[in-house]
Amino acid sequence: NAGVTQTPKFRVLKTGQSMTLLCAQDMNHEYMYWYRQDPGMGLRLIHYSVGEGTTAKGEVPDGYNVSRLKKQNFLLGLESAAPSQTSVYFCASSYTGRSSYEQYFGPGTRLTVT
Amino acid sequence: GQQLNQSPQSMFIQEGEDVSMNCTSSSIFNTWLWYKQDPGEGPVLLIALYKAGELTSNGRLTAQFGITRKDSFLNISASIPSDVGIYFCAGSHSGNTGKLIFGQGTTLQVKP
Repeated sequence: NAGVTQTPKFRVLKTGQSMTLLCAQDMNHEYMYWYRQDPGMGLRLIHYSVGEGTTAKGEVPDGYNVSRLKKQNFLLGLESAAPSQTSVYFCASSYTGRSSYEQYFGPGTRLTVT
Repeated sequence: GQQLNQSPQSMFIQEGEDVSMNCTSSSIFNTWLWYKQDPGEGPVLLIALYKAGELTSNGRLTAQFGITRKDSFLNISASIPSDVGIYFCAGSHSGNTGKLIFGQGTTLQVKP
């Protein structure tokens, strides 16, 4: 099992450019999440999904869009990147119910916006 | 938004020492969890707590869900070099949607 994988691992964008981060999981998890991690601030939830075809906003959703067309994939899009979106992005997945808090994380994508 | 306050922010200890860290909130949580992040990797779940007063161990790690539901504690006994990393507390109010609020982390360094 690969667990949770993320592509790409690193990316540099110029302000205004767009990109999509891909997250894939092979654990048949129902729930998936996107977080961003900034120095000294822990992880903050951007968007999450409780099932194929469903998405919901987290704590810091502005400037991001997501899609969950297939159960195993969760895409995070930046339509017009800004320097404030420079961060490390983590995808996670989990089972449902009480186990939804026991999340499995990917290795992260380090994004720099210049 | 809601914040969790972790302390200390960082610790530098000698191998073999015990470690204690805690996490506090201004509001009540129904679930508390502790994750560890190794350099360059994603967080990994260490312990999950679901009931006020609960005390749970995972090897040398012991965590407690505070009685007030506004805090949680993590202890590491007899630290070893591989304990190095960032420890995050996380909490949730309810709903089983998986929505977690994370603390800012405690960075642990262990001197052999």
